[in-house]
Amino acid sequence: EAGVAQSPRYKIIEKRQSVAFWCNPISGHATLYWYQQILGQGPKLLIQFQNNGVVDDSQLPKDRFSAERLKGVDSTLKIQPAKLEDSAVYLCASSHDRRNLKNIQYFGAGTRLSVL
Amino acid sequence: AQSVSQHNHHVILSEAASLELGCNYSYGGTVNLFWYVQYPGQHLQLLLKYFSGDPLVKGIKGFEAEFIKSKFSFNLRKPSVQWSDTAEYFCAVIPNYGGATNKLIFGTGTLLAVQP
Repeated sequence: EAGVAQSPRYKIIEKRQSVAFWCNPISGHATLYWYQQILGQGPKLLIQFQNNGVVDDSQLPKDRFSAERLKGVDSTLKIQPAKLEDSAVYLCASSHDRRNLKNIQYFGAGTRLSVL
Repeated sequence: AQSVSQHNHHVILSEAASLELGCNYSYGGTVNLFWYVQYPGQHLQLLLKYFSGDPLVKGIKGFEAEFIKSKFSFNLRKPSVQWSDTAEYFCAVIPNYGGATNKLIFGTGTLLAVQP
């Protein structure tokens, strides 16, 4: 089966600019996650969707980050305006159903964002 | 807050050496435990997992891990490493507290370099 698709792979922007990332999960996966991985750290969950509803966005900086999954399939994550500390790899993951804790999360290749 | 500690940030081994990477977590209840691996230029992929039952679990490519509940540990082992095991290894936990989210809580990762 096809894996989790993300684009773009790399993005370089200046601070205060806006940027958007796109994710297409594995077909049939109800749960979609966005993680942020800062250099030297492990990934940290930003937001989790179950179909098109938000399950957990407690660590999403809502003053500048937003995410949507309108039709319960693809998702976009936006940063506006970007700060230097937003430089990181943004990982998208998906799993069958979050209600089963044994569901495995499958990760995409990530988008590497550099904010100058 | 729950956390995951990986004690070794960088490990350098020669081929055929034995490997053990430490992982400890801070949650006192039931947990699901994972080791993910990221090979150079590739996405995060699951190496092995523990949900319940036999505390010694086997994963792909000859890796195994042992869950020791009393020590809150889930150490990764391989008796004889190969050059192709060069990668970054992440320990991750899903605390099972009946909440809505099943987010992975990651350690900071261990970079393993295997010298031929």
